[in-house]
Amino acid sequence: DIQMTQSPSSVSASVGDRVTITCRASQGISSWLAWYQQKPGKAPKFVIYAASSLQSGVPSRFSGSGSGTDFTLTISSLQPEDFATYYCQQANSFPFTFGGGTKVEIK
Amino acid sequence: EVQLVESGGGLVQPGGSLRLSCAASGFTFSSYNMNWVRQAPGKGLEWVSFITSSSGTIFYSDSVKGRFTISRDNAKNSLYLQMNSLRDEDTAVYYCARDSLSPAHAFDIWGQGTMVTVSS
Repeated sequence: DIQMTQSPSSVSASVGDRVTITCRASQGISSWLAWYQQKPGKAPKFVIYAASSLQSGVPSRFSGSGSGTDFTLTISSLQPEDFATYYCQQANSFPFTFGGGTKVEIK
Repeated sequence: EVQLVESGGGLVQPGGSLRLSCAASGFTFSSYNMNWVRQAPGKGLEWVSFITSSSGTIFYSDSVKGRFTISRDNAKNSLYLQMNSLRDEDTAVYYCARDSLSPAHAFDIWGQGTMVTVSS
């Protein structure tokens, strides 16, 4: 199985800050990576697919990059509604696996 | 509106069974592969099972293989998860999630989830 490792597990930031979350795959997955945002008590929301493509309706302050084993999710200017937990997921092969999550908290 | 609505969760004793349902609306259900994903209380996301649009291909995580069965009824726009021999560690919110058409295997639409609690 492909292991997905996210870092950091949590980050404290202020509105307007730039936040970067990393995700590392235990083996190469090309660009088969998705990112999700989850708020407490809610279902995950699809944010980025194919490592760097923004899902329709997602603000342009979100961006993704990377390929192979190393990926990043960047929020260029953190907004109040962005405080949430973010998960990466490899879509390369079964079983699909998620990273452990990164909680973005208010500083 | 594109929507997935799960139902069927509840409290069940260890060793018991439960059947989850997921009702789809607002899109052509029969054209999409589907998944079940779960989340234990306070924990991360765990993929559980996948089924193709025609039910021709099915996959399970090792943690549920042999105990859970995924199925679908395209005429009823519904996805199911039959869960047998339930264990304490199966306690979680269960989400149905649509498999995106392109690229495949990203989950573009999620239901609100249904809670399954396995406890004596």
